[in-house]
Amino acid sequence: EVQLVQSGAEVKKPGESLKISCKGSGYSFTSYWIGWVRQMPGKGLEWMGIIYPGDSDTRYSPSFQGQVTISADKSISTAYLQWSSLKASDTAMYYCARLGVVWDLGMDVWGQGTTVTVSS
Amino acid sequence: SSELTQDPAVSVALGQTVRITCQGDSLRSYYASWYQQKPGQAPVLVIYGKNNRPSGIPDRFSGSSSGNTASLTITGAQAEDEADYYCNSRDSSGNHQGFGGGTKLTVL
Repeated sequence: EVQLVQSGAEVKKPGESLKISCKGSGYSFTSYWIGWVRQMPGKGLEWMGIIYPGDSDTRYSPSFQGQVTISADKSISTAYLQWSSLKASDTAMYYCARLGVVWDLGMDVWGQGTTVTVSS
Repeated sequence: SSELTQDPAVSVALGQTVRITCQGDSLRSYYASWYQQKPGQAPVLVIYGKNNRPSGIPDRFSGSSSGNTASLTITGAQAEDEADYYCNSRDSSGNHQGFGGGTKLTVL
């Protein structure tokens, strides 16, 4: 079964760092892009960026460039999303999703989501 | 802000047909994908490419595109189709993607 399993919920304070993960299984992890999507409470989906684990090619949405870092460790089929200094406005649900080599074929497999709460 | 524009809310009577639209200049060059999201759940891909349904998606869901507008049509809407629907496509640069603001579908 093809699946993406994300790390568990996090509660952090402003200014702290955080790295959440997304582990792929059931398919060739290095042959598909992995994307990260933010959903703030009660709001819509926002495309943050994507990474191709095969060569670590990474693209960021201009809205998120410099705010987060996307990385991947292909040896353990895991992608990451990290923050160096969290803000309260980072409170959201974060999803990872799989995209094909041709992005236009959609995000066909989604992780279950990781809730990040940032509060003093 | 998103380069893809959707109506915030649409309603349809049970068993009737509804079209959800997504507008954006990039749609003249790239296909849209469509996602269904129910409360407390991760999004699910329902349409991709020209008009393709992933395995398990009912054939009452279909997609089309004309000019700068992509559409998701549900023919014979069911109660279980009540959800938020999002379109997704590349932006005008082609180097990133984005989502529309989402459409809340109510089945009456």
